[in-house]
Amino acid sequence: GNSVTQMEGPVTLSEEAFLTINCTYTATGYPSLFWYVQYPGEGLQLLLKATKADDKGSNKGFEATYRKETTSFHLEKGSVQVSDSAVYFCALSSGNQFYFGTGTSLTVIP
Amino acid sequence: GAVVSQHPSRVICKSGTSVKIECRSLDFQATTMFWYRQFPKQSLMLMATSNEGSKATYEQGVEKDKFLINHASLTLSTLTVTSAHPEDSSFYICSAADRNGKNIQYFGAGTRLSVL
Repeated sequence: GNSVTQMEGPVTLSEEAFLTINCTYTATGYPSLFWYVQYPGEGLQLLLKATKADDKGSNKGFEATYRKETTSFHLEKGSVQVSDSAVYFCALSSGNQFYFGTGTSLTVIP
Repeated sequence: GAVVSQHPSRVICKSGTSVKIECRSLDFQATTMFWYRQFPKQSLMLMATSNEGSKATYEQGVEKDKFLINHASLTLSTLTVTSAHPEDSSFYICSAADRNGKNIQYFGAGTRLSVL
């Protein structure tokens, strides 16, 4: 079956620190992979995506590379800001179905 | 990017009343819309998949008579929580899939339902 396993939080970092949030998946076929971000009290926003192996998605300084050999899609950012504080969800899509990880809460302190 | 509007953003109601939540795709046509429920500090739980012009497909354990879904057009799906009770209090989020098959879901901002 399809599933997403995401690093548990919460994660607390100082401003300008390096961020990694791990995400691994199991899937039948060739899924697309996504990172969504949810700010407090809001819905989910698409942060970045990758549709095939070795693709790198990037947006707002965040990056993630679709690694088929390790079935991973880890989210990274070189220097986080206070405004990056949010919950991050890793997700995969197969057909028209989405499967979400449990979310990782990130707090960035000044 | 594509925009999905969800309304209302917050609703407080008395136990026993029904609440309707609207989900609209503003700048694209959505053959399929999805309704999720999110409990505090948890991930999204898919409740049902809504297809334009046909009956919704509900996930196991979701009462279809409790959560009525109507997808009357390519840009509008509604979720009605009937006879709401305090245990129905939650954050409900809709999403819409672009009919052009881009395999991306665009999410509404969510509706916070509080049943007293």
